[in-house]
Amino acid sequence: QQQVKQSPQSLIVQKGGISIINCAYENTAFDYFPWYQQFPGKGPALLIAIRPDVSEKKEGRFTISFNKSAKQFSLHIMDSQPGDSATYFCAASIMDSSYKLIFGSGTRLLVRP
Amino acid sequence: ETGVTQSPTHLIKTRGQQVTLRCSSQSGHNTVSWYQQALGQGPQFIFQYYREEENGRGNFPPRFSGLQFPNYSSELNVNALELDDSALYLCASSSGAGGGKTQYFGPGTRLLVL
Repeated sequence: QQQVKQSPQSLIVQKGGISIINCAYENTAFDYFPWYQQFPGKGPALLIAIRPDVSEKKEGRFTISFNKSAKQFSLHIMDSQPGDSATYFCAASIMDSSYKLIFGSGTRLLVRP
Repeated sequence: ETGVTQSPTHLIKTRGQQVTLRCSSQSGHNTVSWYQQALGQGPQFIFQYYREEENGRGNFPPRFSGLQFPNYSSELNVNALELDDSALYLCASSSGAGGGKTQYFGPGTRLLVL
């Protein structure tokens, strides 16, 4: 119930391509879904977040798509760049009542030049 | 604006020992959360401190304990270390408790238990 399942575990994309990472959850009480980016030796950094009242949110090259009925959400990285090579984590929490982020297991993205 | 800082960056301990990790929250933040990130895994919530009180706890045994100080910095203490405690320990600060508050992570402390 508290899990967030993330796929794929790793992803290789050519420069300029689209990277797509998927997450699924079971707890329908989750209402806040952030994505974090983590570079080696660094802590995770918030990339973009969405609430379930919208189906899509775009910030620059990064887009979250959200499917409430399927309990799935995904991160799309358009025009992927070598500098995007990092580990990406989806997460979920309950706004206003919870205190913890439930993280997925991560996706290691490699963007080839 | 100073970000979240953690010390030490790396630590090696032996099984059964005790360890204290430290975190300075970002300026203006009164909430600190601690996470354990095993190699190749996502961070797992340990506990959160809000205004010097524990505000919630994950599925970690009591030998994981913490403190928050009046300046909102925090410590994570782990007693009776086990091999499985080897991980990256992340501290995150936010301006208030609650699931929707953006958490800003520090670089972590990598603990190796031998």
